[in-house]
Amino acid sequence: GENVEQHPSTLSVQEGDSAVIKCTYSDSASNYFPWYKQELGKGPQLIIDIRSNVGEKKDQRIAVTLNKTAKHFSLHITETQPEDSAVYFCAAKEGGGGADGLTFGKGTHLIIQP
Amino acid sequence: GAVVSQHPSRVICKSGTSVKIECRSLDFQATTMFWYRQFPKQSLMLMATSNEGSKATYEQGVEKDKFLINHASLTLSTLTVTSAHPEDSSFYICSAIRGAYQPQHFGDGTRLSIL
Repeated sequence: GENVEQHPSTLSVQEGDSAVIKCTYSDSASNYFPWYKQELGKGPQLIIDIRSNVGEKKDQRIAVTLNKTAKHFSLHITETQPEDSAVYFCAAKEGGGGADGLTFGKGTHLIIQP
Repeated sequence: GAVVSQHPSRVICKSGTSVKIECRSLDFQATTMFWYRQFPKQSLMLMATSNEGSKATYEQGVEKDKFLINHASLTLSTLTVTSAHPEDSSFYICSAIRGAYQPQHFGDGTRLSIL
């Protein structure tokens, strides 16, 4: 099955700086890669996603890049703000099925220092 | 606003009790719902995939007789933890999709504590 590795486990950046979180996946058949933000005691919230036919996607301060050849994808947050502090999870969906479950990375605790 | 509602948000009960958790899609019909389990400071692990009107598909290592899933309508799936024991204590989270190839939207989870 699919295996997703996520780094770093903890990331501390100064407010206003950029943050980058990286993930690798094992199954070359995976074709959908979402990123979720989870705040304490809450469920994950989808913040951005990318499909395998696209190399990059941007939504205001958030961007995701995908390198299918290397099987890795990254989340980029620019101009970080205190409310960006949370745990971020990357995920991959294996196989070509449209209704498959997600395989998650272990999460990155992002800390924005004021 | 929330598109997936999960209830209850917190359950504390005695060992041996069965606990039912509900997952509802609020403004769409969910062809498929998923159940995940999350231990403290760890990732989400897929337990089962639930399709309306059919039996759930369980991931390897998940006991189907322990974790009963019912998806009786396009807006409601339930997870029943039968004869719960302390090792079943965890954060259970559901998600739903509007259709194939659509993003998963998650509920806010249920914190289950078995004494």
